Amino acid sequence: AQSVTQPDIHITVSEGASLELRCNYSYGATPYLFWYVQSPGQGLQLLLKYFSGDTLVQGIKGFEAEFKRSQSSFNLRKPSVHWSDAAEYFCAVGAAIAAGNKLTFGGGTRVLVKP
Amino acid sequence: DGGITQSPKYLFRKEGQNVTLSCEQNLNHDAMYWYRQDPGQGLRLIYYSQIVNDFQKGDIAEGYSVSREKKESFPLTVTSAQKNPTAFYLCASRGTSGTGELFFGEGSRLTVL
Repeated sequence: AQSVTQPDIHITVSEGASLELRCNYSYGATPYLFWYVQSPGQGLQLLLKYFSGDTLVQGIKGFEAEFKRSQSSFNLRKPSVHWSDAAEYFCAVGAAIAAGNKLTFGGGTRVLVKP
Repeated sequence: DGGITQSPKYLFRKEGQNVTLSCEQNLNHDAMYWYRQDPGQGLRLIYYSQIVNDFQKGDIAEGYSVSREKKESFPLTVTSAQKNPTAFYLCASRGTSGTGELFFGEGSRLTVL
């Protein structure tokens, strides 16, 4: 069965500092990997996705993520955090589009940004 | 604008009552999903549907029911059999092209009084 672990429940970072959110997955085949962001009381917005090719993926809002197959990881990074980045972030894993496939989400990491 | 509309955004219900959450999409997507979100537990899949008139149970389907009579609509009923229904419910859809990402609605918060 596929699963996703986000080891950090909360992270506090100063504005302008770098941010890295960890994601480890378990999946039996080549995974499709996603990072989503959620503001309080809102739906989820896709930040970026990986399905093949270059293992360093660029996303929206200045985020990037690196796929490391040997470590089963897909960590999210941002070089300089803005106050508007305060939100909850979810990593998800799924398979290629086919009948019955669905995404499995991690527990989320809440990011707090200090002025 | 294309998107997913969930209603109502907030809903209060008394114990023992059934309640139905609406989800409508105009993205022409075949697959639709319902997730439940509780603090610290991420998103857990309740039901999903790949085509009209067909749906499958997810990981936590007990106490919930769905229907898929139209491609655009995938309503979720929270029944009185759901023992802890207070939660944030998210509807999502996915097309058959592209790389499999889900598109989400804004969510519905259900509180049982």
